[in-house]
Amino acid sequence: EDQVTQSPEALRLQEGESSSLNCSYTVSGLRGLFWYRQDPGKGPEFLFTLYSAGEEKEKERLKATLTKKESFLHITAPKPEDSATYLCAVSGYGGATNKLIFGTGTLLAVQP
Amino acid sequence: DTAVSQTPKYLVTQMGNDKSIKCEQNLGHDTMYWYKQDSKKFLKIMFSYNNKELIINETVPNRFSPKSPDKAHLNLHINSLELGDSAVYFCASSQDGHPGDTQYFGPGTRLTVL
Repeated sequence: EDQVTQSPEALRLQEGESSSLNCSYTVSGLRGLFWYRQDPGKGPEFLFTLYSAGEEKEKERLKATLTKKESFLHITAPKPEDSATYLCAVSGYGGATNKLIFGTGTLLAVQP
Repeated sequence: DTAVSQTPKYLVTQMGNDKSIKCEQNLGHDTMYWYKQDSKKFLKIMFSYNNKELIINETVPNRFSPKSPDKAHLNLHINSLELGDSAVYFCASSQDGHPGDTQYFGPGTRLTVL
């Protein structure tokens, strides 16, 4: 069964203190791994899609990487506005559909 | 300008009532989805429609019935609401229904059943 596990559940950083969020996955044939950001009371906002091991994508202070078993979201010199819940999801070969399996997220708090 | 929109944003109702949530996307996408986010923030897919055809139907009580009048709209009707239906419901859309296609989410509808 496809599964996604995110760690840590919560992370508190000082402004400027770089760190990484982890997403471990088990999927029958990865078709895509997705990172979303979710602010309180809002819908998930798309950040990145990674398709194959070794792939990396960057956007401002965020960089996502992918291996065959896990993905990391690296946050460099975070600012308070980076505070949010970060969600990881996978889409696999399991069916011909685009069903996303989500992890439970990492709640990031960046303090000034 | 909004890509995926939902109405209403908040819905408070009594047990046993019937209610509907509406979703519209202006991205020109062929596939739309409904997800449920529980109190622990866990997102789980419920349904997916591709060009008005149902393609994903997860294990959801048959009190939940999606309807897609056209490929830009996907509504969710819930009969005989129960306390356990309280959650945030998100609509999403993607270009097509192929695995790996990026999904874009709406702002959510917070349903509270009293």
